[in-house]
Amino acid sequence: TQLLEQSPQFLSIQEGENLTVYCNSSSVFSSLQWYRQEPGEGPVLLVTVVTGGEVKKLKRLTFQFGDARKDSSLHITAAQPGDTGLYLCAGPSGGYNKLIFGAGTRLAVHP
Amino acid sequence: DAGVIQSPRHEVTEMGQEVTLRCKPISGHNSLFWYRQTMMRGLELLIYFNNNVPIDDSGMPEDRFSAKMPNASFSTLKIQPSEPRDSAVYFCASSLGTFRTNEKLFFGSGTQLSVL
Repeated sequence: TQLLEQSPQFLSIQEGENLTVYCNSSSVFSSLQWYRQEPGEGPVLLVTVVTGGEVKKLKRLTFQFGDARKDSSLHITAAQPGDTGLYLCAGPSGGYNKLIFGAGTRLAVHP
Repeated sequence: DAGVIQSPRHEVTEMGQEVTLRCKPISGHNSLFWYRQTMMRGLELLIYFNNNVPIDDSGMPEDRFSAKMPNASFSTLKIQPSEPRDSAVYFCASSLGTFRTNEKLFFGSGTQLSVL
């Protein structure tokens, strides 16, 4: 069974700090996706990483896919209160027909 | 496009009652997914459909849960009878194709279900 483990579970920081959250698995994934979920809403896709070692940037967010395609990280530079939310990683499973999700990292950025 | 539309947004019911959650996927999307989210278990896939046909219902907790997709624009998730442990946020999501081609999921805003 493919599992995605995310760490840390919770992160509470001050505005302007940097942070990194992790998504790890013992299985190889063809790709991994990162979603952000705000209170009262469904998750929204931020990025898909496909190639081992790939780095993608989305403004202050940097996503990296591990060389072995078993892990990924999300780094946020100079966090803002608007970055507050639940960050979920997800990977294809079941013959690429479905997505499984990690438990998420709940981030709170305080002004 | 209006996105994935779920109703109701909130549902409060008493144990033993039947609950029906509704979903309208994005037009043209071939796959529809029902997820349940709780603090303890995170986001769990309950069932998914491809071209209106149920493909994998291995995540459905028990026989009290059933899902249908009578046409490409409508799906329901029914719980009968409901129990307090069913309290959760239920999300419907749709996608254009399989995740082999890195398709993404579009989620609705969810139904917050409370069973008293």
